[in-house]
Amino acid sequence: DTEVTQTPKHLVMGMTNKKSLKCEQHMGHRAMYWYKQKAKKPPELMFVYSYEKLSINESVPSRFSPECPNSSLLNLHLHALQPEDSALYLCASSQGTQSGTEAFFGQGTRLTVV
Amino acid sequence: QQQVKQSPQSLIVQKGGISIINCAYENTAFDYFPWYQQFPGKGPALLIAIRPDVSEKKEGRFTISFNKSAKQFSLHIMDSQPGDSATYFCAALLKNTGNQFYFGTGTSLTVIP
Repeated sequence: DTEVTQTPKHLVMGMTNKKSLKCEQHMGHRAMYWYKQKAKKPPELMFVYSYEKLSINESVPSRFSPECPNSSLLNLHLHALQPEDSALYLCASSQGTQSGTEAFFGQGTRLTVV
Repeated sequence: QQQVKQSPQSLIVQKGGISIINCAYENTAFDYFPWYQQFPGKGPALLIAIRPDVSEKKEGRFTISFNKSAKQFSLHIMDSQPGDSATYFCAALLKNTGNQFYFGTGTSLTVIP
């Protein structure tokens, strides 16, 4: 099973809403990531969790709040987003313990902020 | 600063032709170089990857060529098909981190029937 599952696939939210994106993997990977991708651009790293601890936060605004409840799950809590936050949000995972390990991506959540 | 430079930005190839996408990097601490294929509205999917101690790797119609001294690597798609039309990203992984990936800017490939 080389699958990373993200829910929901699509999300429309208002600027005052609170919502969460979810990600799950059962490959035993110990690194999990959130990326943001705008149209025709490469994925931009937001957060990295390594062994369930936040190891990288790429200066992401506090309206995005990641959470790693266990080694298989990763959440991204959203609050008071702006229309410019509309994008494809990608979750990925990798073994994370050594080099030469590929990252597997989920299908993404298409987020629209209205 | 873009850690991995990718070219061309877009590419149009006839069916059956060879598609070539190039990437270059400066940081010698990179030690793993994957290529990802992404279709519209989908997440990137790993296509093929190479380590710098290998100069070429082939999987089916996809080949990575790696030039360590020039710090360049390229993806060759042989016998390109319309189904290969997608955006391709090269990436590089920092040594001993296992989790710091840097992506190129992407190439939009269109294969004309």
